[in-house]
Amino acid sequence: SQQGEEDPQALSIQEGENATMNCSYKTSINNLQWYRQNSGRGLVHLILIRSNEREKHSGRLRVTLDTSKKSSSLLITASRAADTASYFCATADISNFGNEKLTFGTGTRLTIIP
Amino acid sequence: GAVVSQHPSWVICKSGTSVKIECRSLDFQATTMFWYRQFPKQSLMLMATSNEGSKATYEQGVEKDKFLINHASLTLSTLTVTSAHPEDSSFYICSAFDRRRDEKLFFGSGTQLSVL
Repeated sequence: SQQGEEDPQALSIQEGENATMNCSYKTSINNLQWYRQNSGRGLVHLILIRSNEREKHSGRLRVTLDTSKKSSSLLITASRAADTASYFCATADISNFGNEKLTFGTGTRLTIIP
Repeated sequence: GAVVSQHPSWVICKSGTSVKIECRSLDFQATTMFWYRQFPKQSLMLMATSNEGSKATYEQGVEKDKFLINHASLTLSTLTVTSAHPEDSSFYICSAFDRRRDEKLFFGSGTQLSVL
């Protein structure tokens, strides 16, 4: 399977703490993206990091990318109850440039305890 | 942000009937749309890539005669589950790609299909 792996599969933390999720992938990529999914809903794009970038920030989100290790991490700082959701990484394979076919990771279910 | 409308949100049907799911890009032209299937607490599995005006490209293992995809315009793609059976029960999600808006995808809200 070309699907990426995420860990942990599930994470429960107290509100206000930071949450870190990791993603590993197998191919050479153009970019890596993180998406969020609330239960029974579609996905919402959070952040995109290109293969030539190492770190990116957006509000309370911080993403890192290590192409040598084929891994990425998503950090959510000062977590809130509303951050409870599943988070997926998705990679755009370098051979699919222009068509944006993404391969999704297995996902991390994040629960923020009020 | 760009909006993708997917409906119905949920559908219950009898075994053997066909179900059509629509995916519309409301404020942009989507040259490419993707259809995914998702089982509870699992990731998204790509079923097919739908390009406007051409035949869909199906992923390995996905029956093209079972899951008919039509992308007749730049704003509409449909997925028809033909002769549905209980094993087809799943959450189906579409996404659309807008080349003008970076490389991110915009997703519909999904359709929960239950086949009795």
